[in-house]
Formats: sequence, structure tokens, C-alpha cells
Amino acid sequence: DAGVTQSPTHLIKTRGQQVTLRCSPISGHKSVSWYQQVLGQGPQFIFQYYEKEERGRGNFPDRFSARQFPNYSSELNVNALLLGDSALYLCASSWTGVEKLFFGSGTQLSVL
Amino acid sequence: GENVEQHPSTLSVQEGDSAVIKCTYSDSASNYFPWYKQELGKRPQLIIDIRSNVGEKKDQRIAVTLNKTAKHFSLHITETQPEDSAVYFCAASRTGGSYIPTFGRGTSLIVHP
Repeated sequence: DAGVTQSPTHLIKTRGQQVTLRCSPISGHKSVSWYQQVLGQGPQFIFQYYEKEERGRGNFPDRFSARQFPNYSSELNVNALLLGDSALYLCASSWTGVEKLFFGSGTQLSVL
Repeated sequence: GENVEQHPSTLSVQEGDSAVIKCTYSDSASNYFPWYKQELGKRPQLIIDIRSNVGEKKDQRIAVTLNKTAKHFSLHITETQPEDSAVYFCAASRTGGSYIPTFGRGTSLIVHP
């Protein structure tokens, strides 16, 4: 049974560019959440989608956006990249969206 | 919004000792409290969780306790083993309404053989 898959695993961008990160949830899970993890800190919540609708949004600027597709996969987009956007971006899927999150391995984004 | 404080930031124990990690939360509406383990370079993995209608939950060497009145919950690991070495994160969230889970900053547990 495949776990949560994220792509790409690593990404290097320059300031001002745009990036799209992708996530495929565990089969049967209808909820996908996105988190930003800076080294030495806990994951910080960005978005949650359940059944293709946004259910929650963390304290991130409008440069961050996301969507969920009919097959429940999801994309996170970040526009006008800043150096401070450098982090590990984690995707998590679950049945209910709140309990028992299963995390992917993440996308390590470096902004130069 | 919710604020989760986690202590200590680093915990060093000898193999076989017990380890306790504590978290406090601020939002009395939070009712779901999971703990995640993240080994170096790997994804966070859920190890145990508790809902606000339960005071304690155990799973082999791991237990979590919740004090709703004081708004704190703790992770207890007994008979620690070197493979327990990792960063542990607590989190608090609501299961209803707007979903904004909040994680603690993490505790680096080091178990010395």
C-alpha cells in the first residue's frame, strides 16, 4: 500500500520565482494538508483540503495557494519566492482531515 | 489563535530510563492531541493520540496523559531504547469548525546506550 508521495524531493529556486509542489494522498484518504517545517521547529500549518474544499488556512501570505483535484491529489503553489520560504514542505493525508495524519517525505525547497 | 508550548527542547537519558515530554496549550476548544516522532531526515510519524474526553492512553511503552483543566498533556516513554532517539512533536487541534492545528517546537530525545 503506497504511502503519501510528494514531488519533487528537492528544488532550488531564485527569489521572485514561482514554485509548484505536488502531493498524492494514501488511497481512500479524502483530505490533504500542507505544512512548512523550518529546521529546528515544528511543522507550521499552511492549508487543509477535504473533498476538494478548503477547510483551513494558516497564517501565511496570499503568495501561498493550493488546490485539491478530483482524484484527491493536491498542489501547493508559492509565488514571488522569498529567501524565508526556504524550508521543508510536508504534505499529510488522512481520512477525516484532523486525526491520524500520514506525512509524506517532503519537498526541500531552497530559495537563493 | 492556539499556542502550544513544548518542554524540554532537548532531553538526554540513559537506555532503560523513562522520558517525559510536556506540552501546554491555550485554546480550551482544542480537543485532539497527537504526538509525532520524526527521526533525522525522515517524515513525522504519529505515535499516539488522545481526545479530550480521555485522561490517559497507553500503547506498550508509550503513554499520553491529558489534564484539560490545566491545559497540558504529556508523553511518557518507559524503558527507553536507542531507537527512541528522535525529535518528538506535540500538537493541538479541534475536530470541528475551522481546522488550524498547532505544533509544538519539538523535543530532541537522545537515548544513550
